[in-house]
Amino acid sequence: LAKTTQPISMDSYEGQEVNITCSHNNIATNDYITWYQQFPSQGPRFIIQGYKTKVTNEVASLFIPADRKSSTLSLPRVSLSDTAVYYCLVGDPRMDSSYKLIFGSGTRLLVRP
Amino acid sequence: DSGVTQTPKHLITATGQRVTLRCSPRSGDLSVYWYQQSLDQGLQFLIQYYNGEERAKGNILERFSAQQFPDLHSELNLSSLELGDSALYFCASSGGGRRASYNSPLHFGNGTRLTVT
Repeated sequence: LAKTTQPISMDSYEGQEVNITCSHNNIATNDYITWYQQFPSQGPRFIIQGYKTKVTNEVASLFIPADRKSSTLSLPRVSLSDTAVYYCLVGDPRMDSSYKLIFGSGTRLLVRP
Repeated sequence: DSGVTQTPKHLITATGQRVTLRCSPRSGDLSVYWYQQSLDQGLQFLIQYYNGEERAKGNILERFSAQQFPDLHSELNLSSLELGDSALYFCASSGGGRRASYNSPLHFGNGTRLTVT
């Protein structure tokens, strides 16, 4: 199971782009990278998942360099409602265990007015 | 709305008691996961079931047990409760199981907040 490292916290202002980087040096060939968002007293919510290069959806973009040892979640033009904890998970979604199990400490993003 | 339903939303009980938390997974999902989150802590994986069978175990205490029923709903039983068991308990489901597709992320319920007094 690939261990992930994220910054503990980040501050930003409304309207700015926020990039949260996750390090996963021992990512395996079949591992995917998945990001979740959690608001206080709510369950985590899936944001985006990718394997390589770039993935974009209506909420965020995920950038994965060629060596796949890190990934960056990009949130365009954040608003106050993006204040949350963001978790990066790495694993093989085809497996029936481990990939989905371990949430790290996450990155606590605070968006200021 | 994730489609995952957890009941009750809140539970207050005394030390030494036993409680049961219930989870209905998203329609069609075969896997159910239970997580514990204490105040300002990360999510601790407890246990996973796939189509009625236990699939993986995390740091689940012997006082805790779970099962998944034929209709795929799951229950987490917590017994001999201690003050330290006070936490948010989340259930998540996914559609994959053994052969998950790449687009089978976890879908979480909104949790049961357990307070042990």
